[in-house]
Amino acid sequence: QSVLTQPPSASGTPGQRVTISCSGSSSNIGINTVNWYLQFPGTAPKLLIYKNNQRPSGVPDRFSGSKSGTSASLAISGLQSEDEADYYCAAWDNSLNGNVFGTGTKVTVL
Amino acid sequence: QITLKEYGPTLVKPTETLTLTCTFSGFSLSTSQMGVGWIRQPPGKALEWLALIYWNDDKRHSPSLRSRLTITKDTSKNQVVLTMTNMDPVDTATYYCAHFILRGENYFDSWGQGTLVTVSP
Repeated sequence: QSVLTQPPSASGTPGQRVTISCSGSSSNIGINTVNWYLQFPGTAPKLLIYKNNQRPSGVPDRFSGSKSGTSASLAISGLQSEDEADYYCAAWDNSLNGNVFGTGTKVTVL
Repeated sequence: QITLKEYGPTLVKPTETLTLTCTFSGFSLSTSQMGVGWIRQPPGKALEWLALIYWNDDKRHSPSLRSRLTITKDTSKNQVVLTMTNMDPVDTATYYCAHFILRGENYFDSWGQGTLVTVSP
């Protein structure tokens, strides 16, 4: 039932830059800000990026977010082994009048 | 520091009603522009938003589950309760509650650890 579309997987070697896309529509990403969540196996999601590109305290600046039109992206620079996790984008949807999550992307460090 | 924790049964039978309680600390749900939401995640699947309740008692529900969901708050007890009727095995999931920030930003900044609910005869 995910409204936002992400690639199922992404990978890179340590030190590389990895980018994850999030595709939405005019009722969500097109007019609202995008947030990103990080989830390690067996644990609760954690806020990674809010308001398109803002990092909560404690989140390394290796993580950056951007938005253009009805799509958004999360970039991980200088990929590290501890970045292996699932990543979800999210936004408010004005048509559904609720929060919507992406399909999720599993990042693997080769 | 904001903390949240979910409480409820680990096993429910099909057609039964699920009642989950989120007990939180570090904020008051009477504070403007704040809310508490529920999100679930079936094993191996993506996150799915269920419901939100705001400081002013306004509520939002997932359109696909609206007829089955009720969300309420007890500000004096720092609790939010979610009920879901007519449970089915497809509702087996980890259920999370989370603190929600409005102010035009709309994001969950703190999450509970989650509670796994299995629906089985």
